[in-house]
Amino acid sequence: KQEVTQIPAALSVPEGENLVLNCSFTDSAIYNLQWFRQDPGKGLTSLLLIQSSQREQTSGRLNASLDKSSGRSTLYIAASQPGDSATYLCAVPFSGGYNKLIFGAGTRLAVHP
Amino acid sequence: GAGVSQTPSNKVTEKGKYVELRCDPISGHTALYWYRQSLGQGPEFLIYFQGTGAADDSGLPNDRFFAVRPEGSVSTLKIQRTERGDSAVYLCASSSREGNTIYFGEGSWLTVV
Repeated sequence: KQEVTQIPAALSVPEGENLVLNCSFTDSAIYNLQWFRQDPGKGLTSLLLIQSSQREQTSGRLNASLDKSSGRSTLYIAASQPGDSATYLCAVPFSGGYNKLIFGAGTRLAVHP
Repeated sequence: GAGVSQTPSNKVTEKGKYVELRCDPISGHTALYWYRQSLGQGPEFLIYFQGTGAADDSGLPNDRFFAVRPEGSVSTLKIQRTERGDSAVYLCASSSREGNTIYFGEGSWLTVV
């Protein structure tokens, strides 16, 4: 059974720091891995999707890497800003379904000025 | 519409009552998903519709939960004989078809007292 774990559960940093959020999964036979952002009281927004054949994806200050063999993904946030404060979740599909997703519990990020 | 719309945004009900939660997906999206998110956890998959039919309802926790999508657009999640453990945020999401980018609504926060 696939399990997704995110470390750390919470993180508080000063503005400007570079950050690494970690995601691990137990079954390496995945189609892809997605990173989402969730603001308090809001839905989820897809940030990056890495296909199983890819090693990384970049969008602006965000870079996500995927190492299937070790069951790990990292989300790197460069030059963090207070507007980056949110919960970041990673998710992988159930076997056979792209958007039938298994989520980690998320990392709650607070970036203070 | 511009995004996935969910109503009500908040619902407080007494234990044992019946509730309905509505989801209006992005126009033209054939795939629709319901997820449930408890405090401090990632979303958990409930049910997936492709068009009017429930393609996968394996995440529904028990027979008190039921969902419909009669015309292939709006969906209603129905919960009978609510229990305090049903308290959570119920998230709806849609995509243009299975496998494409998924868009989440802001959720319906259900509290059973």
